[in-house]
Amino acid sequence: AQSVTQPDIHITVSEGASLELRCNYSYGATPYLFWYVQSPGQGLQLLLKYFSGDTLVQGIKGFEAEFKRSQSSFNLRKPSVHWSDAAEYFCAVSGFGNEKLTFGTGTRLTIIP
Amino acid sequence: NAGVTQTPKFQVLKTGQSMTLQCAQDMNHNSMYWYRQDPGMGLRLIYYSASEGTTDKGEVPNGYNVSRLNKREFSLRLESAAPSQTSVYFCASSTQGWRGEQYFGPGTRLTVT
Repeated sequence: AQSVTQPDIHITVSEGASLELRCNYSYGATPYLFWYVQSPGQGLQLLLKYFSGDTLVQGIKGFEAEFKRSQSSFNLRKPSVHWSDAAEYFCAVSGFGNEKLTFGTGTRLTIIP
Repeated sequence: NAGVTQTPKFQVLKTGQSMTLQCAQDMNHNSMYWYRQDPGMGLRLIYYSASEGTTDKGEVPNGYNVSRLNKREFSLRLESAAPSQTSVYFCASSTQGWRGEQYFGPGTRLTVT
């Protein structure tokens, strides 16, 4: 079965600074990879997804993620964070064989002025 | 277009009581899901329905039952609530099964005393 690790439970960055959230996955074949964001008191919203092709994918709200098969990683990046980016971020993986979607435990992002 | 709606938003139950969480989507999606979210554990799949008329167990189905009433509605029932079922419950739907974007409802915060 597939699994996802988000090694950072909580990250604090200054507004305007760059951001990278880490995600490592375990899956034996071609993964389908997702990043979701959850604002306080809300449901999850898809930021971006990777199925195949270009390993650098662009998402909403200025986010991007890079798939690195050799490192089993799918890290999320943003060049300059805004206070409204404060939220919890979840990486998730499913598979080409129609495996269920598995979520990581999440990274909580705090933005300081 | 309301997306995915859930009722109620909040609920407090005593141990042993029963209740049904309601979920409806107006996007004509085939697949629907129930997750629970607990601190530090991400989202865990309780049950899912790949299409109208089918339901299957997820990672943590014990103590729950589901009904896919029609294409729009997917309910989750707790027959005899336990404190371990205190959690935030999310319903989601998608049009492409596990490979597609899942659209989440706003959640139900359930406390069992």
